[in-house]
Amino acid sequence: GENVEQHPSTLSVQEGDSAVIKCTYSDSASNYFPWYKQELGKRPQLIIDIRSNVGEKKDQRIAVTLNKTAKHFSLHITETQPEDSAVYFCAARMDSSYKLIFGSGTRLLVRP
Amino acid sequence: EAGVAQSPRYKIIEKRQSVAFWCNPISGHATLYWYQQILGQGPKLLIQFQNNGVVDDSQLPKDRFSAERLKGVDSTLKIQPAKLEDSAVYLCASSLTWTVSGNTIYFGEGSWLTVV
Repeated sequence: GENVEQHPSTLSVQEGDSAVIKCTYSDSASNYFPWYKQELGKRPQLIIDIRSNVGEKKDQRIAVTLNKTAKHFSLHITETQPEDSAVYFCAARMDSSYKLIFGSGTRLLVRP
Repeated sequence: EAGVAQSPRYKIIEKRQSVAFWCNPISGHATLYWYQQILGQGPKLLIQFQNNGVVDDSQLPKDRFSAERLKGVDSTLKIQPAKLEDSAVYLCASSLTWTVSGNTIYFGEGSWLTVV
């Protein structure tokens, strides 16, 4: 069935280093891949998304890459800052059902 | 722009009791979603409305959960009777529509439910 796997579940980096979070999806018909950031006790907020007709998208320190052949996509955060500490969720939209399926989340800790 | 409004923010009930959560989506958004987020997990879709019609409720435990969006605007999610495993954050979300791929989904702050 529809499934999105996310790794790692926790990630600790030093301030200024880069962080990479990876997701794989099961439905090859998926065509939309958003990333959400959720701070403790807050709502998930969209930080970046990518559609299947592009391989990479960048927004300041955040970038997302998509490999349709391998059915995986990744979030890259460069020059991490303490305020980047949060839980990050990837998601994939399955064309077969139009549902947005979320990964299990990655807790990112940026150490000052 | 006003966001997705939810109430109550927090609720503690005993098992077998009932609870209801209310959601008001962003103005003009035709699609409304209820997600369940158990601690340490990603949000799981319970039900999706397009205006006042149900698009998908395949993951809704219909023996105890119900939801409605009678006038196609605000929505209520009810749990009766509640079980311990229903303890979670119930996130309401909305988007302009669901038929166009890439339509951004906006989340509310969530209603935190603890069943004791």
